[in-house]
Amino acid sequence: EIVLTQSPGTLSLSPGERATLSCRASQTVNNIYFAWYRQAPGQAPRLLIYATSTRATGIPDRFSGSGSGTDFTLTISRLEPEDFAVYYCQQYGPSPMYTFGQGTKLEIK
Amino acid sequence: QVQLQQWGAGLLKPSETLSLTCAIYGGSFSDNYWSYIRQPPGKGLEWIGEIHHSGATNYNPSLKSRVTISMDTSKNQFSLKLTSMTAADTAVYFCGRNGFYSIDEWGQGTLVTVSS
Repeated sequence: EIVLTQSPGTLSLSPGERATLSCRASQTVNNIYFAWYRQAPGQAPRLLIYATSTRATGIPDRFSGSGSGTDFTLTISRLEPEDFAVYYCQQYGPSPMYTFGQGTKLEIK
Repeated sequence: QVQLQQWGAGLLKPSETLSLTCAIYGGSFSDNYWSYIRQPPGKGLEWIGEIHHSGATNYNPSLKSRVTISMDTSKNQFSLKLTSMTAADTAVYFCGRNGFYSIDEWGQGTLVTVSS
């Protein structure tokens, strides 16, 4: 099983600032198998990015994803109030299987 | 736009079986794989398994011995059964639609508590 480790555990920033969230995999992940989600308190997760860098339907362009191999990054260029939430990375494989990182909490500074 | 609505018992005793159902609105069951995911209180996400309209299923190896996901295509619904529930299975359970190697639509979640 591939383990995903997210950093930092908590990120404290102000609205309008830039956020950079990281996710490291224990083994190489195919780029098409990598995704990011945002989860607001009491809500279901929402897909932000799939295939490492493709924004999901309705996701604004302030969200961008990058990376390859074992290191992947989610960047939020200008934080809006609704962006303060928990973010999860996810990968698919090797067998039919999805695994998630432990989450990064983005909080208001 | 696809919407998922889920329901099921929220309080179970140890050793009982969890039963949840997820209904698909605005989309067809035959278009995708469909998953269940759970999240213990204050913790991260764990994928439970998936089903395809062909009836094919795949399960998380850590839960495989206790999980069954089934479907009723006539009702556009799919269901989860998880046997031998313990306190460690207390979680919010989500149904979801599999997109491109990701979960692109989610149900609202159902909190399931296991307590004697």
